[in-house]
This record gives sequence, structure tokens and C-alpha cells, in this order.
Amino acid sequence: GAVVSQHPSRVICKSGTSVKIECRSLDFQATTMFWYRQFPKQSLMLMATSNEGSKATYEQGVEKDKFLINHASLTLSTLTVTSAHPEDSSFYICSAREWGVGVAGANVLTFGAGSRLTVL
Amino acid sequence: GESVGLHLPTLSVQEGDNSIINCAYSNSASDYFIWYKQESGKGPQFIIDIRSNMDKRQGQRVTVLLNKTVKHLSLQIAATQPGDSAVYFCAENMKGAQKLVFGQGTRLTINP
Repeated sequence: GAVVSQHPSRVICKSGTSVKIECRSLDFQATTMFWYRQFPKQSLMLMATSNEGSKATYEQGVEKDKFLINHASLTLSTLTVTSAHPEDSSFYICSAREWGVGVAGANVLTFGAGSRLTVL
Repeated sequence: GESVGLHLPTLSVQEGDNSIINCAYSNSASDYFIWYKQESGKGPQFIIDIRSNMDKRQGQRVTVLLNKTVKHLSLQIAATQPGDSAVYFCAENMKGAQKLVFGQGTRLTINP
């Protein structure tokens, strides 16, 4: 099946620095990718929808200037956490739609392994 | 706002027994539902899905049931194994929308 790769899997940074997380769709093209955030023992919360060649669509309450998303190609989306602070420490997970899985025409998302960000 | 929720945050079953994980949804416009499994430190993995025009769908050791009358979704896992221990999320997709909204999650523990 399709694979979504994230890098880095873990990152530790100092407060005030910026961190970039990459999300790649391997062996398939993804015009749309999704970025989720997950705090410990909580569910996944959608942050934004990344669209290839256009601006990302952010969910309500997500600061677009803080979480910069770039989807420059059909296989790569990046999330940059700018001027990171300890409260940004979280598990960030990207996903892309994998056609042909599930019931016909289904919107099954394949997820990456996640990137754990720790801001000191 | 509308959301997907779960009745039980934790569930423990004996290895070999069957387990049932429940999910309640409130958005009547949702027409597609998915169950995901998430192991510690990993991303969610697809288990099984169902459309709103279906009541039941079966996979290998798993069955998803959908009751639209009471807006209830369940995941049945037969003959549970230690590897089934994980957090299980239901997710819903509103008709015409691209994004999935995730429920709270249930931690399933399989006891030896």
C-alpha cells in the first residue's frame, strides 16, 4: 500500500527557533495532504489542509503565520513551526489520501509515523 | 460544534475474547466513517471503513456496525490478540468535505 513518510521523527529545539517537518508521499502523488496535531492521551486535531500549488486552508484557531505550510510538489508538504515555544511541543502527524483503499470512492487517509516536537 | 465522541476511554479484555469499541457521532451530514488504530508513538493505521448507506462491513477479525437511527458506530474485534492493544479512533467525513474529524479515542488493552 501507499506510504507516507515524515522527517524528522523526533526534534528538540530551543524556544524561539523554527522547526521544519517534511511529509512525503512515497510511490503516489498527493494533491492534498493534511496536518494533524496530537497532545498526549488526546485525539488528533486537524490543523490545516495542504493543497499542492496553492495556499493551505487552516482550521479555526490555528495561526497560519505560526504554522507555515508549503506544498510545492505532488509528493512533498512541509510544516514549519516558527518561533517555537514550549506550548508548541506536540506530536505532529501528516496524512494523504490513498485511493483504492476501503469502499469505492472513499476518503481513506494514510498517515505518516508522526514527528514529536519538544521545545525547551 | 458537532463532533465525534466515544463512550469509553479505556477497555480491557482477555486475550482471545471479543471486544467492542463504541463511537457516537452527532453530525447527520456525515456519510462515511473510518476506524483507525494507533500504537504508541506511531501514526494511525486504517482498519476498516463504512459508508452511511451500509449497516455492517466485515474485515479480517473486525466488523464495523453503523446505526444511523441513533448515530452510533462500533468496532468489533474477534479473538483479540496482544497486538490488538492500542488506541482506536473513529473518524467521520461529512459529505462533500475532504477532511476527517476524529473522535476521542479508546485505549484497548489485551490481558494475557
